[in-house]
Amino acid sequence: DTGVSQDPRHKITKRGQNVTFRCDPISEHNRLYWYRQTLGQGPEFLTYFQNEAQLEKSRLLSDRFSAERPKGSFSTLEIQRTEQGDSAMYLCASSPQPGQGTFEQYFGPGTRLTVT
Amino acid sequence: EDKVVQSPLSLVVHEGDTVTLNCSYEVTNFRSLLWYKQEKKAPTFLFMLTSSGIEKKSGRLSSILDKKELSSILNITATQTGDSAIYLCAVEARRAGGTSYGKLTFGQGTILTVHP
Repeated sequence: DTGVSQDPRHKITKRGQNVTFRCDPISEHNRLYWYRQTLGQGPEFLTYFQNEAQLEKSRLLSDRFSAERPKGSFSTLEIQRTEQGDSAMYLCASSPQPGQGTFEQYFGPGTRLTVT
Repeated sequence: EDKVVQSPLSLVVHEGDTVTLNCSYEVTNFRSLLWYKQEKKAPTFLFMLTSSGIEKKSGRLSSILDKKELSSILNITATQTGDSAIYLCAVEARRAGGTSYGKLTFGQGTILTVHP
């Protein structure tokens, strides 16, 4: 499978715990994006990387959230001291760098986080 | 702040019907509008519309971009039960200098239910 992959697919954690999610983009894609989706809403942008550089962070991304893409390949999203409001589907997407043909974003299957 | 509004929020039809989903947007430096289909998983890409490609068609699905009215429609003809899903509209803005801003701003989605 050469699509975007995410791990884990589901995570249940207790409030106050830290969690980390991983995303592996399509191999030739330079850009990697993180979104959060709650029930009944469209995905909301969190942050994105071009190669290893984090180019944009949403105001939604509080200081408890951190994302990395150390070698420009896979990325991790960590949430510290989780709160019940963090319960959501966390989606990762990737796209080629603009100028390299089409640049639509392709999404992974998501990680569903439940904070109890 | 960029804004995307979809209508209707939900739609129930019978197989064989034709449906039209609407998307309107307010965005600074518009670059592209994308349509995604979301079933019980991550969004899957349908179409991308830009200034150079304002109409797209694939099988029973077609989409038109109206840059003057800042809107787009997604048409589905001869609907099938497999078309039941959430249809998401998203817009992408352009940075100064013309390169992609990166993030997508999504609408709330239209829930389409097709009964046999």
